[in-house]
Amino acid sequence: AQSVTQLGSHVSVSEGALVLLRCNYSSSVPPYLFWYVQYPNQGLQLLLKYTTGATLVKGINGFEAEFKKSETSFHLTKPSAHMSDAAEYFCAVSVGTSYDKVIFGPGTSLSVIP
Amino acid sequence: EAQVTQNPRYLITVTGKKLTVTCSQNMNHEYMSWYRQDPGLGLRQIYYSMNVEVTDKGDVPEGYKVSRKEKRNFPLILESPSPNQTSLYFCASTGGSRSYNEQFFGPGTRLTVL
Repeated sequence: AQSVTQLGSHVSVSEGALVLLRCNYSSSVPPYLFWYVQYPNQGLQLLLKYTTGATLVKGINGFEAEFKKSETSFHLTKPSAHMSDAAEYFCAVSVGTSYDKVIFGPGTSLSVIP
Repeated sequence: EAQVTQNPRYLITVTGKKLTVTCSQNMNHEYMSWYRQDPGLGLRQIYYSMNVEVTDKGDVPEGYKVSRKEKRNFPLILESPSPNQTSLYFCASTGGSRSYNEQFFGPGTRLTVL
């Protein structure tokens, strides 16, 4: 069975500092991995996804994530935090190409300090 | 504009009073899901539907019903709501094959059961 853990339920960074949100997964088969962002009072929207191919994936708003199979990790990074990045971030894993269950992590709330 | 819509966005009700939360998508997606989001637990799947008239339980189906009479609509029904169903609810849809289960989310419905 698949599972997702996110280290740190709350992360605070200063504006302009590096953002690093951690995600580890467990899966018995090659996974498909996602990061979603949830801004206040909104639904989740896709930041980026890894399916196959290049392990460094670039997403919207300057975020990127690297799939490391040996570490079963898919950490999310952004070189320089902006105030508008304050949100809840969810890592998710799926193992099918279509119509298969998606397992979400518990989420990490990112605060950006001016 | 491709979107998933939910109504109502906010709902306060009392124990035992039947309610329905509507969900509609305009992307011709076959797969739809309902999730509930609770602090520290991430998103948990309540029910899902792989096509018209095809529905199945997710991880936390107790106290909920769904129906899928049309491809675009997937209402969530709480026949006798209880306070432990106070939560934030999201409807999501997924495209066809090779979508890797990327989810498109509605804006959410915040339900309070008194």
